[in-house]
Amino acid sequence: EDQVTQSPEALRLQEGESSSLNCSYTVSGLRGLFWYRQDPGKGPEFLFTLYSAGEEKEKERLKATLTKKESFLHITAPKPEDSATYLCACFSSNTGKLIFGQGTTLQVKP
Amino acid sequence: NAGVTQTPKFQVLKTGQSMTLQCAQDMNHEYMSWYRQDPGMGLRLIHYSVGAGITDQGEVPNGYNVSRSTTEDFPLRLLSAAPSQTSVYFCASSAYGSNEQFFGPGTRLTVL
Repeated sequence: EDQVTQSPEALRLQEGESSSLNCSYTVSGLRGLFWYRQDPGKGPEFLFTLYSAGEEKEKERLKATLTKKESFLHITAPKPEDSATYLCACFSSNTGKLIFGQGTTLQVKP
Repeated sequence: NAGVTQTPKFQVLKTGQSMTLQCAQDMNHEYMSWYRQDPGMGLRLIHYSVGAGITDQGEVPNGYNVSRSTTEDFPLRLLSAAPSQTSVYFCASSAYGSNEQFFGPGTRLTVL
């Protein structure tokens, strides 16, 4: 059964304290791993797509990486405005569906 | 571009009532989908459509109907609301050949 698991469930950081969020997956026919950011009361906002192991994408203080079993979202020197829930999702070519993890809620304190 | 729009933003229903959640997109996307988001459950796919006139079931389709008469609109109908359908509902769309989905702002539904 296809599954996407994110850890930790919640993460509290001090401003400037770098860390990583994990997304592990078992998905048949993976055709893309996606990272989204979701602010309270809003819809998910697309951040990155990764397609193959070894691929990396960067955007400001965020960097996403992908291996054959998991993806990491690295946050370097975070700021309070980075506080949000980060969602990981995998697209299965076998089912044609996007499978979401439960998310990691990040809080960055000034 | 307005992107993906959803109405209403909030709705309270009584058990047994019916209603339609509206979703529209102005990006000419072929693929549209409906998700529900519940605490600790993540986003779960309800129904999806790959084009006008074509719909299919997702992970949790029971109690919901959809239709796709135009490329722009993809309404979600609750036939007889139940408390278990209390949730936040998101509509999303993506272009053909792309799996990058754009999400609407959501509808928060409470069923009493």
